[in-house]
Amino acid sequence: KAGVTQTPRYLIKTRGQQVTLSCSPISGHRSVSWYQQTPGQGLQFLFEYFSETQRNKGNFPGRFSGRQFSNSRSEMNVSTLELGDSALYLCASSSRGGEYNEQFFGPGTRLTVL
Amino acid sequence: AQSVTQLDSQVPVFEEAPVELRCNYSSSVSVYLFWYVQYPNQGLQLLLKYLSGSTLVKGINGFEAEFNKSQTSFHLRKPSVHISDTAEYFCAVSANNLFFGTGTRLTVIP
Repeated sequence: KAGVTQTPRYLIKTRGQQVTLSCSPISGHRSVSWYQQTPGQGLQFLFEYFSETQRNKGNFPGRFSGRQFSNSRSEMNVSTLELGDSALYLCASSSRGGEYNEQFFGPGTRLTVL
Repeated sequence: AQSVTQLDSQVPVFEEAPVELRCNYSSSVSVYLFWYVQYPNQGLQLLLKYLSGSTLVKGINGFEAEFNKSQTSFHLRKPSVHISDTAEYFCAVSANNLFFGTGTRLTVIP
């Protein structure tokens, strides 16, 4: 089985722009979660989608949004980029989601905001 | 509320020596605990998990961890480390989503 894939792997944007990141989960997985990783804040949960519905949401401003398509692929959008949004964005998929379901992580998209 | 504390931000250890990476958690709900490893420029890979049952959990690459409910700990151990174990290690507690500790950078010295 192919693993979780994320595109693009690297991205450079300027303040005020918006960005869309993509995640393709492992085949058959219906839950996709997004995490932000920064040196200062560590790994923080953004949101989880399951069967095209947002099921859980972390404590991030409304500039961060996401969606999931019928094939379980997910996109994350950040509008009006700020310097502090520079981070590694990780996507993880699991078969059902939930607290004891193992999550499989992609390699991440490294976003740099100038 | 859930939280995870990794007590050591950096742990240097000589090759073939044993290592313990410490993790303490707090959780107001059922406890599901995980250890993940992150190699440079890569995502996270699951090392092991505790869901229930035996408190000693064995994982990949020779790692094991012990769940201690009274001390709310889930320390990761390996009896003999290799150069290839150099990486960042994250402890996490699960409650619908994962709450991660701040990570421990393990450096194996030749």
